[in-house]
Amino acid sequence: KAGVTQTPRYLIKTRGQQVTLSCSPISGHRSVSWYQQTPGQGLQFLFEYFSETQRNKGNFPGRFSGRQFSNSRSEMNVSTLELGDSALYLCASSSIPGQGALDYGYTFGSGTRLTVV
Amino acid sequence: AQKITQTQPGMFVQEKEAVTLDCTYDTSDQSYGLFWYKQPSSGEMIFLIYQGSYDEQNATEGRYSLNFQKARKSANLVISASQLGDSAMYFCAMRDYTGNQFYFGTGTSLTVIP
Repeated sequence: KAGVTQTPRYLIKTRGQQVTLSCSPISGHRSVSWYQQTPGQGLQFLFEYFSETQRNKGNFPGRFSGRQFSNSRSEMNVSTLELGDSALYLCASSSIPGQGALDYGYTFGSGTRLTVV
Repeated sequence: AQKITQTQPGMFVQEKEAVTLDCTYDTSDQSYGLFWYKQPSSGEMIFLIYQGSYDEQNATEGRYSLNFQKARKSANLVISASQLGDSAMYFCAMRDYTGNQFYFGTGTSLTVIP
């Protein structure tokens, strides 16, 4: 069965531009989470969506936003890009969120590597 | 607040030898899950092993085992019979009671030497 698909794999943008990243979860998975990975800050939680609703949000500025569509595909948007937004953005899907620690059915995608110049 | 600590930025191991990657965590929750992920240079986070806070037995998955010491709040990963393909970054992570997000450590870069 197909895994989590993130597009594009690589992206180069100029400071001040905006960018949209896409994540298609595993078929049947309805929860999508986004993480930012940088050498300095490591892996940080951005937000989680379930059934088109944002359930949880990490500590990121309002320039970072996301949404989820009825087919569970999710997009995240970063406006007014800064050099510090250069990172690997990872998406993860799971079947049902909120099952707590016992649910380990999380599958990550390969990420989108964003470079801001 | 949840915190994961990995104190080994880099580790080297000879092929076919065993290696232990350290992980300690801090949480006030009683119910939580501990995970190890492998991240090769391609970027994808690959699930390796899971340990629930109430599990009494240490988790094992093939060549991977998790040495869970709850009182010490440690969850070390043991890789037996290392292979060249094991060279990658390894992340320890925790999901809290609500299960809403992962908290990751800073990772350990493992290099397997032929």
